[in-house]
Amino acid sequence: GEDVEQSLFLSVREGDSSVINCTYTDSSSTYLYWYKQEPGAGLQLLTYIFSNMDMKQDQRLTVLLNKKDKHLSLRIADTQTGDSAIYFCAESIGGSYIPTFGRGTSLIVHP
Amino acid sequence: EAGVAQSPRYKIIEKRQSVAFWCNPISGHATLYWYQQILGQGPKLLIQFQNNGVVDDSQLPKDRFSAERLKGVDSTLKIQPAKLEDSAVYLCASSLGSENEQFFGPGTRLTVL
Repeated sequence: GEDVEQSLFLSVREGDSSVINCTYTDSSSTYLYWYKQEPGAGLQLLTYIFSNMDMKQDQRLTVLLNKKDKHLSLRIADTQTGDSAIYFCAESIGGSYIPTFGRGTSLIVHP
Repeated sequence: EAGVAQSPRYKIIEKRQSVAFWCNPISGHATLYWYQQILGQGPKLLIQFQNNGVVDDSQLPKDRFSAERLKGVDSTLKIQPAKLEDSAVYLCASSLGSENEQFFGPGTRLTVL
């Protein structure tokens, strides 16, 4: 199976919160990342969390990490239409800083 | 500050033809990466350079893919000959060093017919 798994689609109403979930398999993950990809553009690092942290908050973004269940989530508060994009979960393992990406979750924000 | 530049943005070729992609990283970035992103999947690392040396090319299909970064700045990725399964977006990224945040270019979308 895939090293990093995500659901493929999420649809939310503008102003609601979005929660994108991810599971990973390698317990030696060092960093876990969330990237955003808008149509026709490259990936943009949104945020990352070190594996010994449980939570990280950055403005509208909240990352939660459950190491026991190998589960990572990204919460976007007050979701806007400009947040519509594909969100990739990724992990780096051991001493490497190279991310291993999931398939991405397509977030659709409708009015 | 200018971002990572890639060209061309789109390329359509027939199978068995050759193709080359070009990447200009952010000025001063020592580390450069090439990723392959097949439709519906996340990017997968093909090769990582540190200045003009190869750090990791374990996932590069060396029978048909080659990459170089001769002067430690710009890089080219070549496919010769192309196969149908090479259809993908090829992303270039750069970082100050291997431990720093990667900045991605817009990619080159390759279609092999």
